[in-house]
Amino acid sequence: AAGVIQSPRHLIKEKRETATLKCYPIPRHDTVYWYQQGPGQDPQFLISFYEKMQSDKGSIPDRFSAQQFSDYHSELNMSSLELGDSALYFCASSLDSNEQFFGPGTRLTVL
Amino acid sequence: GDSVTQMEGPVTLSEEAFLTINCTYTATGYPSLFWYVQYPGEGLQLLLKATKADDKGSNKGFEATYRKETTSFHLEKGSVQVSDSAVYFCALSDLLGRDDKIIFGKGTRLHILP
Repeated sequence: AAGVIQSPRHLIKEKRETATLKCYPIPRHDTVYWYQQGPGQDPQFLISFYEKMQSDKGSIPDRFSAQQFSDYHSELNMSSLELGDSALYFCASSLDSNEQFFGPGTRLTVL
Repeated sequence: GDSVTQMEGPVTLSEEAFLTINCTYTATGYPSLFWYVQYPGEGLQLLLKATKADDKGSNKGFEATYRKETTSFHLEKGSVQVSDSAVYFCALSDLLGRDDKIIFGKGTRLHILP
Protein backbone atom coordinates (compact mmCIF):
# COMPACT_ATOMS: atom_id res chain seq x y z
CA ALA A 1 0.00 0.00 0.00
CA ALA A 2 1.12 3.53 -0.71
CA GLY A 3 2.59 5.40 2.23
CA VAL A 4 3.33 9.00 3.07
CA ILE A 5 6.33 10.26 1.11
CA GLN A 6 8.64 12.95 2.38
CA SER A 7 11.46 14.63 0.56
CA PRO A 8 14.23 15.15 0.95
CA ARG A 9 15.10 12.51 3.55
CA HIS A 10 18.15 14.41 4.68
CA LEU A 11 18.96 18.11 4.37
CA ILE A 12 21.95 20.11 5.51
CA LYS A 13 21.75 23.89 5.63
CA GLU A 14 23.75 26.78 7.02
CA LYS A 15 22.42 29.22 9.59
CA ARG A 16 20.16 31.92 8.12
CA GLU A 17 19.46 29.86 5.00
CA THR A 18 16.01 28.67 3.96
CA ALA A 19 14.70 25.14 3.59
CA THR A 20 11.63 23.60 1.99
CA LEU A 21 10.34 20.21 3.07
CA LYS A 22 7.78 18.36 1.01
CA CYS A 23 5.13 15.86 1.98
CA TYR A 24 3.01 13.70 -0.31
CA PRO A 25 0.09 12.17 1.60
CA ILE A 26 -1.45 8.80 1.01
CA PRO A 27 -3.78 9.03 -2.02
CA ARG A 28 -7.27 10.28 -1.11
CA HIS A 29 -6.16 11.49 2.31
CA ASP A 30 -7.42 15.03 2.87
CA THR A 31 -5.53 16.09 6.00
CA VAL A 32 -1.82 16.68 6.46
CA TYR A 33 0.02 17.24 9.74
CA TRP A 34 3.57 18.42 10.44
CA TYR A 35 5.53 17.48 13.56
CA GLN A 36 9.00 18.42 14.73
CA GLN A 37 11.13 16.04 16.81
CA GLY A 38 14.26 17.52 18.32
CA PRO A 39 17.18 15.28 19.35
CA GLY A 40 16.04 13.00 22.16
CA GLN A 41 12.67 14.73 22.32
CA ASP A 42 9.08 13.75 21.68
CA PRO A 43 7.44 14.91 18.45
CA GLN A 44 5.71 18.28 18.73
CA PHE A 45 2.78 19.29 16.55
CA LEU A 46 3.48 22.24 14.25
CA ILE A 47 0.55 22.72 11.90
CA SER A 48 -2.16 20.88 9.99
CA PHE A 49 -4.23 21.36 6.85
CA TYR A 50 -7.63 20.01 5.90
CA GLU A 51 -8.79 20.34 2.31
CA LYS A 52 -6.03 22.87 1.62
CA MET A 53 -7.02 25.14 4.51
CA GLN A 54 -5.04 25.48 7.71
CA SER A 55 -7.00 23.60 10.36
CA ASP A 56 -4.83 23.84 13.47
CA LYS A 57 -1.62 25.47 14.57
CA GLY A 58 0.78 24.42 17.26
CA SER A 59 4.18 25.64 18.34
CA ILE A 60 5.33 26.73 14.91
CA PRO A 61 7.80 29.64 14.76
CA ASP A 62 6.84 32.70 12.73
CA ARG A 63 9.88 31.95 10.52
CA PHE A 64 8.09 28.81 9.35
CA SER A 65 5.15 28.69 6.96
CA ALA A 66 3.32 25.87 5.28
CA GLN A 67 0.62 25.23 2.76
CA GLN A 68 -1.30 22.43 1.16
CA PHE A 69 -1.69 22.43 -2.59
CA SER A 70 -4.52 21.38 -4.90
CA ASP A 71 -3.03 17.89 -5.27
CA TYR A 72 -2.99 17.67 -1.43
CA HIS A 73 0.76 17.63 -1.12
CA SER A 74 2.15 20.00 1.48
CA GLU A 75 5.31 22.04 1.86
CA LEU A 76 6.91 23.36 5.02
CA ASN A 77 9.02 26.43 4.37
CA MET A 78 11.59 27.44 6.95
CA SER A 79 13.52 30.70 6.74
CA SER A 80 16.37 32.25 8.71
CA LEU A 81 17.34 28.82 9.94
CA GLU A 82 18.79 28.53 13.41
CA LEU A 83 20.90 25.78 14.98
CA GLY A 84 17.90 24.87 17.12
CA ASP A 85 15.87 24.02 14.03
CA SER A 86 17.96 20.87 13.58
CA ALA A 87 15.43 18.10 14.02
CA LEU A 88 13.50 15.31 12.42
CA TYR A 89 10.40 16.67 10.68
CA PHE A 90 7.53 14.27 10.26
CA CYS A 91 4.55 14.59 8.02
CA ALA A 92 1.43 12.54 8.63
CA SER A 93 -1.79 12.21 6.66
CA SER A 94 -5.29 11.04 7.44
CA LEU A 95 -8.72 10.73 5.89
CA ASP A 96 -11.54 12.55 7.71
CA SER A 97 -9.26 13.04 10.76
CA ASN A 98 -9.06 9.36 11.47
CA GLU A 99 -5.81 7.49 12.11
CA GLN A 100 -2.69 9.43 11.14
CA PHE A 101 -0.10 7.66 9.03
CA PHE A 102 3.41 8.99 9.42
CA GLY A 103 6.05 9.44 6.78
CA PRO A 104 9.69 8.47 7.32
CA GLY A 105 10.68 12.01 8.21
CA THR A 106 13.15 14.57 6.92
CA ARG A 107 16.27 15.00 9.01
CA LEU A 108 17.32 18.65 8.90
CA THR A 109 20.77 19.61 10.11
CA VAL A 110 21.61 23.29 10.48
CA LEU A 111 25.31 24.07 10.67
CA GLY B 1 -4.52 21.12 28.04
CA ASP B 2 -4.31 17.47 27.19
CA SER B 3 -1.11 15.68 28.16
CA VAL B 4 0.57 12.30 28.36
CA THR B 5 2.96 11.11 31.06
CA GLN B 6 4.99 7.98 30.65
CA MET B 7 7.70 6.36 32.68
CA GLU B 8 11.16 7.66 32.09
CA GLY B 9 13.80 5.48 30.59
CA PRO B 10 15.98 3.97 29.72
CA VAL B 11 14.49 0.63 30.62
CA THR B 12 16.94 -2.26 30.36
CA LEU B 13 15.72 -5.84 30.39
CA SER B 14 17.05 -9.24 29.52
CA GLU B 15 15.61 -11.13 26.60
CA GLU B 16 12.37 -13.01 27.46
CA ALA B 17 11.66 -10.73 30.41
CA PHE B 18 8.21 -9.23 31.03
CA LEU B 19 7.80 -5.62 29.98
CA THR B 20 5.57 -2.89 31.37
CA ILE B 21 5.83 0.75 30.35
CA ASN B 22 3.43 2.91 32.31
CA CYS B 23 1.42 5.66 30.64
CA THR B 24 -1.22 7.97 32.06
CA TYR B 25 -3.07 10.75 30.35
CA THR B 26 -5.02 13.92 31.05
CA ALA B 27 -7.70 14.91 28.60
CA THR B 28 -10.78 17.13 28.61
CA GLY B 29 -12.56 15.07 25.98
CA TYR B 30 -12.68 11.37 25.20
CA PRO B 31 -9.40 10.69 23.46
CA SER B 32 -8.12 7.83 21.40
CA LEU B 33 -4.92 6.36 22.78
CA PHE B 34 -1.88 5.09 20.92
CA TRP B 35 1.51 3.54 21.34
CA TYR B 36 4.09 4.43 18.69
CA VAL B 37 7.50 2.83 18.30
CA GLN B 38 10.61 4.43 16.84
CA TYR B 39 13.49 2.14 15.95
CA PRO B 40 16.99 3.65 15.80
CA GLY B 41 17.31 6.06 12.90
CA GLU B 42 13.78 5.44 11.69
CA GLY B 43 10.40 7.14 11.70
CA LEU B 44 7.32 6.63 13.83
CA GLN B 45 5.33 3.44 13.51
CA LEU B 46 1.93 2.91 15.06
CA LEU B 47 2.24 -0.10 17.35
CA LEU B 48 -1.32 -0.31 18.67
CA LYS B 49 -4.32 1.82 19.51
CA ALA B 50 -7.58 1.89 21.47
CA THR B 51 -10.47 4.22 20.87
CA LYS B 52 -12.80 3.64 23.82
CA ALA B 53 -12.77 2.54 27.43
CA ASP B 54 -11.83 -1.11 28.08
CA ASP B 55 -10.64 -1.57 24.50
CA LYS B 56 -7.45 -3.61 24.27
CA GLY B 57 -5.01 -2.81 21.50
CA SER B 58 -2.55 -5.51 20.54
CA ASN B 59 0.17 -6.08 17.97
CA LYS B 60 3.41 -8.08 17.75
CA GLY B 61 2.86 -9.49 21.25
CA PHE B 62 2.38 -6.03 22.78
CA GLU B 63 -0.87 -5.14 24.53
CA ALA B 64 -2.39 -2.09 26.17
CA THR B 65 -5.86 -1.61 27.68
CA TYR B 66 -7.71 1.74 27.73
CA ARG B 67 -8.53 2.29 31.41
CA LYS B 68 -10.76 5.32 31.77
CA GLU B 69 -11.14 4.99 35.54
CA THR B 70 -7.39 5.25 36.06
CA THR B 71 -6.71 7.31 32.89
CA SER B 72 -4.02 4.82 31.93
CA PHE B 73 -2.82 2.93 28.88
CA HIS B 74 0.10 0.81 30.06
CA LEU B 75 2.10 -1.13 27.46
CA GLU B 76 2.90 -4.77 28.22
CA LYS B 77 4.68 -7.66 26.56
CA GLY B 78 5.14 -11.07 28.04
CA SER B 79 8.52 -11.93 26.56
CA VAL B 80 10.67 -9.24 24.98
CA GLN B 81 13.22 -9.79 22.25
CA VAL B 82 16.42 -7.95 21.36
CA SER B 83 14.62 -6.65 18.27
CA ASP B 84 12.16 -4.79 20.53
CA SER B 85 14.90 -2.32 21.47
CA ALA B 86 13.51 1.06 20.48
CA VAL B 87 11.88 4.21 21.84
CA TYR B 88 8.21 3.85 22.70
CA PHE B 89 5.85 6.82 22.74
CA CYS B 90 2.45 6.86 24.38
CA ALA B 91 0.13 9.33 22.69
CA LEU B 92 -3.42 10.60 22.48
CA SER B 93 -5.65 12.35 20.02
CA ASP B 94 -9.17 13.67 20.46
CA LEU B 95 -10.47 12.45 17.13
CA LEU B 96 -14.14 12.84 18.01
CA GLY B 97 -13.62 16.40 19.22
CA ARG B 98 -11.94 17.33 15.92
CA ASP B 99 -8.81 18.22 17.87
CA ASP B 100 -6.95 15.60 15.95
CA LYS B 101 -3.34 16.60 16.54
CA ILE B 102 -1.40 13.89 18.34
CA ILE B 103 0.07 14.68 21.73
CA PHE B 104 3.02 12.49 22.60
CA GLY B 105 4.61 11.51 25.86
CA LYS B 106 8.33 12.05 26.31
CA GLY B 107 9.15 8.54 25.14
CA THR B 108 10.72 5.57 26.90
CA ARG B 109 13.90 4.07 25.53
CA LEU B 110 13.96 0.29 25.83
CA HIS B 111 17.17 -1.75 25.74
CA ILE B 112 16.90 -5.53 25.55
CA LEU B 113 20.03 -7.47 26.38
CA PRO B 114 20.65 -10.88 24.77
